[in-house]
Amino acid sequence: AQKITQTQPGMFVQEKEAVTLDCTYDTSDQSYGLFWYKQPSSGEMIFLIYQGSYDEQNATEGRYSLNFQKARKSANLVISASQLGDSAMYFCAMRAYNNNDMRFGAGTRLTVKP
Amino acid sequence: DAGVIQSPRHEVTEMGQEVTLRCKPISGHNSLFWYRQTMMRGLELLIYFNNNVPIDDSGMPEDRFSAKMPNASFSTLKIQPSEPRDSAVYFCASSLVGRRTEAFFGQGTRLTVV
Repeated sequence: AQKITQTQPGMFVQEKEAVTLDCTYDTSDQSYGLFWYKQPSSGEMIFLIYQGSYDEQNATEGRYSLNFQKARKSANLVISASQLGDSAMYFCAMRAYNNNDMRFGAGTRLTVKP
Repeated sequence: DAGVIQSPRHEVTEMGQEVTLRCKPISGHNSLFWYRQTMMRGLELLIYFNNNVPIDDSGMPEDRFSAKMPNASFSTLKIQPSEPRDSAVYFCASSLVGRRTEAFFGQGTRLTVV
């Protein structure tokens, strides 16, 4: 099964600044998708952004962008203009399309400081 | 659509009792995942189904855990007998098998075994 690594247990960022959350993955699959989810203190899992392994351009969704470096097997999430409401846990996930297996990293707790 | 529906939202049970968690996926989705979230182990994939068929149950901790998906609109995760170390939040998620599709999560069931 694929392995997803998030090496930053916690991150701090000043309000209105940008922050990068790291994610690397290990897989032998050629066709896969990469996902980021946000989990606020209320506990729900909120989908943020998706990147396909064959996509040539980095995905963007509003203030979220995904810095995808396929050769390095990294899929870092960039949040621009941080807001206090961005404080949450952030999970990186990978789904292999040959079998639909979807696994998550350990998560990064982001705290936005006013 | 009402989204993925899990029940109960909270469950408190005594050690040794049987616990059944329920999940109704989004109508039309053909893939269903069960995850367990704890502080120590993060989000673990327990089992997933494609078209009601279990594909990978290697994440199921032990024989005390079992999962079924008798039809496309219902799945259960059963723990018998339950132990205090089973205390966690259990998430069910559903998606469409294929590319560019995120998994939609239920609100989770918080299980406490005393």
